[in-house]
Amino acid sequence: SQKIEQNSEALNIQEGKTATLTCNYTNYSPAYLQWYRQDPGRGPVFLLLIRENEKEKRKERLKVTFDTTLKQSLFHITASQPADSATYLCALDSYSGNTPLVFGKGTRLSVIA
Amino acid sequence: NAGVTQTPKFQVLKTGQSMTLQCAQDMNHNSMYWYRQDPGMGLRLIYYSASEGTTDKGEVPNGYNVSRLNKREFSLRLESAAPSQTSVYFCASSDLDRVAEQYFGPGTRLTVT
Repeated sequence: SQKIEQNSEALNIQEGKTATLTCNYTNYSPAYLQWYRQDPGRGPVFLLLIRENEKEKRKERLKVTFDTTLKQSLFHITASQPADSATYLCALDSYSGNTPLVFGKGTRLSVIA
Repeated sequence: NAGVTQTPKFQVLKTGQSMTLQCAQDMNHNSMYWYRQDPGMGLRLIYYSASEGTTDKGEVPNGYNVSRLNKREFSLRLESAAPSQTSVYFCASSDLDRVAEQYFGPGTRLTVT
């Protein structure tokens, strides 16, 4: 069956360290993958999109990698700050089926000062 | 630009009552989406509209109907609410059906008693 899994429900990290979040998928062949940030009580906000032919994408302190062989994307936040505390969702293009974009359940990141 | 707006923000219904959730976007996007978000389940697509005049079922359409009133507005109707429809509902829009990032509204928190 098709699955998209984010490695953990919650991740605690010390301020200044690099946070690494994982998104794994099974039985999908996505052309692209997206990452969103969601704060409590708010809708998700788009952060980055990476295509299947791109190995890595960066935006300020954020970096995303996409390995179609491992069927995995890694999302890194360098020099993390308490303001980075939020839930991060990965989403992939399902290509077929009745859902254009399939979301993972998210990882709640807490950056501790 | 307001982006994606949703009304109401909160609603409590009794089982069997009906209601319509309203969504509007001012970004001239072609595609619009309705999701529900439940603890432990992530975001699940209810219905989407790839363009004005078309609607398609998503992963969890049972118990819901939608109307794409014009390019700006996409409403979600619960004809006979059930406790299982207690959830947070998000509307989103995007420029293209599949590739582009989605912009989310602030959500409607619905409780059915």
